[in-house]
Amino acid sequence: KQEVTQIPAALSVPEGENLVLNCSFTDSAIYNLQWFRQDPGKGLTSLLLIQSSQREQTSGRLNASLDKSSGRSTLYIAASQPGDSATYLCAVRRGQNFVFGPGTRLSVLP
Amino acid sequence: GAVVSQHPSWVICKSGTSVKIECRSLDFQATTMFWYRQFPKQSLMLMATSNEGSKATYEQGVEKDKFLINHASLTLSTLTVTSAHPEDSSFYICSATIDVEQFFGPGTRLTVL
Repeated sequence: KQEVTQIPAALSVPEGENLVLNCSFTDSAIYNLQWFRQDPGKGLTSLLLIQSSQREQTSGRLNASLDKSSGRSTLYIAASQPGDSATYLCAVRRGQNFVFGPGTRLSVLP
Repeated sequence: GAVVSQHPSWVICKSGTSVKIECRSLDFQATTMFWYRQFPKQSLMLMATSNEGSKATYEQGVEKDKFLINHASLTLSTLTVTSAHPEDSSFYICSATIDVEQFFGPGTRLTVL
């Protein structure tokens, strides 16, 4: 059974810092991995999608890497801003099944 | 990106009543949609996979007679919570896929009194 964990559970940083969020999964036979952002009481916004054959994806200040063999992905946020404050979720896909991590709650202080 | 909508965005109902939540893909057709439940400060848990024109596939531990799913068209899936109880209070989110990427609806907050 696939299990997804995320570290840290919560993070509070001053504005401008670079930060790394971690995601680990137990079964490396995944189809892809996706990072999402969730604002309080809202749905999910897709940030980055990494296919199993890829090692990283970049969008603006965000960079996500994938090491399938070790079951890890990292989300790197450069020059953090207060507007980045949200919960960040990673999800792995195998076939039609999606498994989400518990999320990292990020607070960026002005 | 693709847009998925949900209606209503929130609903409050009395215990014992049934509540229907709609999930629509606005600018694409979705043969498969997914329903998730999220309890406060917890992650999303997949409840079921909704397949257009056929029966939904439920995850282990999800009561199919309590959570009725209908996917009657390529743009609409509905989740009906039957005989709702306070423990069913949660945030329900649907999603649909285009190729390999998932797109999520804004969610429906259900509160059962």
